[in-house]
Amino acid sequence: SQQGEEDPQALSIQEGENATMNCSYKTSINNLQWYRQNSGRGLVHLILIRSNEREKHSGRLRVTLDTSKKSSSLLITASRAADTASYFCATDRGSARQLTFGSGTQLTVLP
Amino acid sequence: KAGVTQTPRYLIKTRGQQVTLSCSPISGHRSVSWYQQTPGQGLQFLFEYFSETQRNKGNFPGRFSGRQFSNSRSEMNVSTLELGDSALYLCASSRQTAQETQYFGPGTRLLVL
Repeated sequence: SQQGEEDPQALSIQEGENATMNCSYKTSINNLQWYRQNSGRGLVHLILIRSNEREKHSGRLRVTLDTSKKSSSLLITASRAADTASYFCATDRGSARQLTFGSGTQLTVLP
Repeated sequence: KAGVTQTPRYLIKTRGQQVTLSCSPISGHRSVSWYQQTPGQGLQFLFEYFSETQRNKGNFPGRFSGRQFSNSRSEMNVSTLELGDSALYLCASSRQTAQETQYFGPGTRLLVL
């Protein structure tokens, strides 16, 4: 079963704009990770944020985590056509040695 | 470092057949996990291996099995294939556990006819 729900399911923006994707989950977590997937290929790891962290940056990516609301957001600034992909959040919890993925957001960046 | 590799990349089988997929983790990674991705169910956890032992298993029927070798390479097997087994099968590796960054391979796309 999927732990997370992502919002929106699809997002279309112009190159240069910022893209924000949200992820909500149901139970307490250890970490939350964001992945990108290009058209049916493997997942590329973007960023991991631990449950005791509130914000993390990596290049043009900014991730926030609000454990009280059980939600996270991924912000991609100054988007490029190459950012067109599906974005997934994934959580791990307790001692479970597995990731539980959200349903994903399909981002389209128009040139 | 070389990334996670999976073979074969594409596979076509017919119902009732069995299939074996292979995954080679990043050097030094001892944990290997498998996931199934379908349009309807999304990404779902199959199982995780560490030091040749299955440590965790998802909610899949017994037709899905796997193993890990002493060099951390892993295989998964699906017997008596069904149409619904058509999916992208992804392998991921990490040093110790899923609580670290997991690095994914390109996947094996299986089509069952």
